[in-house]
Amino acid sequence: LAKTTQPISMDSYEGQEVNITCSHNNIATNDYITWYQQFPSQGPRFIIQGYKTKVTNEVASLFIPADRKSSTLSLPRVSLSDTAVYYCLVARNTNAGKSTFGDGTTLTVKP
Amino acid sequence: EAQVTQNPRYLITVTGKKLTVTCSQNMNHEYMSWYRQDPGLGLRQIYYSMNVEVTDKGDVPEGYKVSRKEKRNFPLILESPSPNQTSLYFCASSLYPPGTGGTEAFFGQGTRLTVV
Repeated sequence: LAKTTQPISMDSYEGQEVNITCSHNNIATNDYITWYQQFPSQGPRFIIQGYKTKVTNEVASLFIPADRKSSTLSLPRVSLSDTAVYYCLVARNTNAGKSTFGDGTTLTVKP
Repeated sequence: EAQVTQNPRYLITVTGKKLTVTCSQNMNHEYMSWYRQDPGLGLRQIYYSMNVEVTDKGDVPEGYKVSRKEKRNFPLILESPSPNQTSLYFCASSLYPPGTGGTEAFFGQGTRLTVV
C-alpha cells in the first residue's frame, strides 16, 4: 500500500475554499486516490475518488497532477458542518485486501 | 436503504469476558472489514474478508477473531477482552477493498467498547 502524508490539522472560515493536500510519493500505476470524511463518533463516508487530472462531484473536487505523487481535495465555500476529519486513501487496484486510512486531517471551520 | 448495522452501539464489559460485536450489511458486498479507532491514531484495520469463508489479518489483529459464514454478516469476537481493547470499532463493507477504482466503502455507526 502506498503510504500517505497529510497535514494533521487545518483551520478555515465559513465561505472559504479549503484545499487539503495528500502526499503519496510511492503511488503505483494502478492505484486510485480516494477521500473519506468522518464526523465525530460516526463512520467515515466516501467523498470522491480519482485516478488522474481532475474529478468533480456535488461535494468536492479532486486534483491530481501528472506525476500522481500528490493529490488535493478541494472543498468550495465550506460551512461549519464541514468540520470533520478527512482521510486520503491510496490502495492498489488488485486483490490485496488490506486498507490503511492513515491519521487524516482534522478540518475546523470557524464562523 | 443501503446500510451497515453494528450491534451493540455501546458496551461496557469486564476483563476476560468473551464478547461479540455483530455487523450486517444489506448491499450484497463481497468485502467486509473491521477497524478500531483510538485518539490520535486514525483508523487501523483489524481483520478483513474478501468473501465468504475468506478472512485475513489487518494491521492490528492480536486479541481478535472474526468469521464470515455468510456474505451479509461479519462478527468481531473478543475471546478475552483486555483494557487495551477499549476503543471505537467500525465495520465496513464494499464491493471491493476500499481504494479500489470504482469502489465506495460503507461504514457502520460504530461500537464504543469499554473494558474495565
